[in-house]
Formats: sequence, C-alpha cells, structure tokens
Amino acid sequence: NAGVTQTPKFRVLKTGQSMTLLCAQDMNHEYMYWYRQDPGMGLRLIHYSVGEGTTAKGEVPDGYNVSRLKKQNFLLGLESAAPSQTSVYFCASRTGGLSSYEQYFGPGTRLTVT
Amino acid sequence: DQQVKQNSPSLSVQEGRISILNCDYTNSMFDYFLWYKKYPAEGPTFLISISSIKDKNEDGRFTVFLNKSAKHLSLHIVPSQPGDSAVYFCAASGRRAAGGTSYGKLTFGQGTILTVHP
Repeated sequence: NAGVTQTPKFRVLKTGQSMTLLCAQDMNHEYMYWYRQDPGMGLRLIHYSVGEGTTAKGEVPDGYNVSRLKKQNFLLGLESAAPSQTSVYFCASRTGGLSSYEQYFGPGTRLTVT
Repeated sequence: DQQVKQNSPSLSVQEGRISILNCDYTNSMFDYFLWYKKYPAEGPTFLISISSIKDKNEDGRFTVFLNKSAKHLSLHIVPSQPGDSAVYFCAASGRRAAGGTSYGKLTFGQGTILTVHP
C-alpha cells in the first residue's frame, strides 16, 4: 500500500495563478483532511471531507476550494494564489467512527507564491 | 486563540536520558489526544494517543501522561536516542462538539523541536 500520496511535491506560482493539489489514499478511508503548516503555527485545518461528495470548512478555508468526487481522492484548489498562501500543505486520512482518531499523513506539498 | 499550546519551541537532551515534551490545552471539549513526530521533508507520523478516560498510556519507550484538571499532557521518551530527533506535535480532538460530532478534526500545537545528542 502506498498510503497517502500527494502531487506535486513542489510548486512555485505567481500571484493570481491557480493550481490544484491532488491527494490520493489507498486505505479505503472515509475521512480526508487538508492542512497547512507555517512556521510557529503548527498544522491548521483548511477543509475536510467525511465521505465521497461531501466537504466542509476547517479553521482557515478562505482562498481555497476542495472537491471529493471519488472516495480515494481529495483535491485542494487555489483559484487566485496569494503570497500568504506560501506554505507546506499536508493531506491526511482516517477511518470513520470513534474507535480511533489517528490520521495518516501524506509527504506534503511545498508551495511558494511570488 | 491557540487552543493547544506547546510552549517550548525546542528541547535538547543527551542520548540515553529522558526527554519530556509538554502540551497544554484550553478547550474542555477535547477528550482525545495524540502525539505526532515529524522529520524534515516528510509528513507527520502518529506516535501515541490517549483518551480522556485514562491518565497514562505507554508504548515501548514512549509514555503519554494526561492531567485533565490541569489541562496538560506530556510525552516521555526513555531512553532518548539520536533517531528521536524530530519535531513533535501534540494534537487534540473532541469526539462530541456542540450539536453534533467533531468528525475527528485535530487541533495541533505549534510543535517542539527535539534534538538528542550522541
């Protein structure tokens, strides 16, 4: 099993450009999450999904959109990139239910907006 | 409003000694806590967790202690090894949020950089 994979690993954008980050998991997990990590801030939740076709806002959703058309994929979109969106983006997934809250993370995407 | 805080940005210990990483939280709805370890250029990996019905959970060299009255948890690593050098994040989740479920959303602390010297 590959676990959680993220594409691309690195990207440089100019202000105003758009892009989509792809997250894929092969563990048949119900829940998927997008986080951003900034120095001194820990990881902050952007959006999450509790199942195919459903999405919800997290702590810092502004400037991002998401889609979960297939259970194994969770896409994060930036419609008009801004320098404040320079960050490392992590995707995570977990099983549904209350038995465990452990999330499995991908390797991250480092995004720079100039 | 930082609901989960790790007040020590960094910690340096000698190989073989104990490493103690601390975490404080403010939200009384949190009832499940996790520790993650992160190496550079990699995603966080799960280390150990504890439910609020317990005050201690042990897994090999790693032990997590929870003090609910103080809203404080700590991670003990004994003995520390150079390979333990990484950033450690504590995270918290509330299984029940007002009016529904939290869907397992995690709130993370800022992280503590642990360096274990040979």
